[in-house]
Amino acid sequence: DQQVKQNSPSLSVQEGRISILNCDYTNSMFDYFLWYKKYPAEGPTFLISISSIKDKNEDGRFTVFLNKSAKHLSLHIVPSQPGDSAVYFCAASGGGTYKYIFGTGTRLKVLA
Amino acid sequence: NAGVTQTPKFRVLKTGQSMTLLCAQDMNHEYMYWYRQDPGMGLRLIHYSVGEGTTAKGEVPDGYNVSRLKKQNFLLGLESAAPSQTSVYFCASSPGDRGYTEAFFGQGTRLTVV
Repeated sequence: DQQVKQNSPSLSVQEGRISILNCDYTNSMFDYFLWYKKYPAEGPTFLISISSIKDKNEDGRFTVFLNKSAKHLSLHIVPSQPGDSAVYFCAASGGGTYKYIFGTGTRLKVLA
Repeated sequence: NAGVTQTPKFRVLKTGQSMTLLCAQDMNHEYMYWYRQDPGMGLRLIHYSVGEGTTAKGEVPDGYNVSRLKKQNFLLGLESAAPSQTSVYFCASSPGDRGYTEAFFGQGTRLTVV
């Protein structure tokens, strides 16, 4: 069973608008969450993370929101740029697990 | 500044053949991981290690073995390759801290089993 779920396989957004990518998790032991970005033929690269003691973390155009009661997190990209077009993975960690469990990914396409 | 390096980048195997994928990191990281990426399945954890000489099973360990004899290297072995093991394999490492920090990934190995 999938412990980390990204229910939207793909998303298209106009350049300059907001992109919102969603992620749900089932294991309440997870208390550290990460977003990775992946371009074709490259390895995933770390984007932003959030600890469960926070409900929001910002880094430039990227903001991650965490709703612990709903076991839901989202990544907001504002404004979206064509270079943001990639596959985005959310991952969960912490809680004594020592490992990262990834979701299935969302392919974002930013249209110029 | 190499980071995480995977060898080889591409490989074609015949069913039943064996091979070893090598992962090397130069960041003195404690933890290392092997993932596979398949269409629609995301990144699935095969095996991981939380220190030299230790290994543990991940989500999809069957058909794979691993070894971590040196801190900087993490080897993934396929003893008898099957077409179902056709995938892109990624190695990652992290400083440790029980998972409360980011992991760094290699560039991937594309493996085809025919």
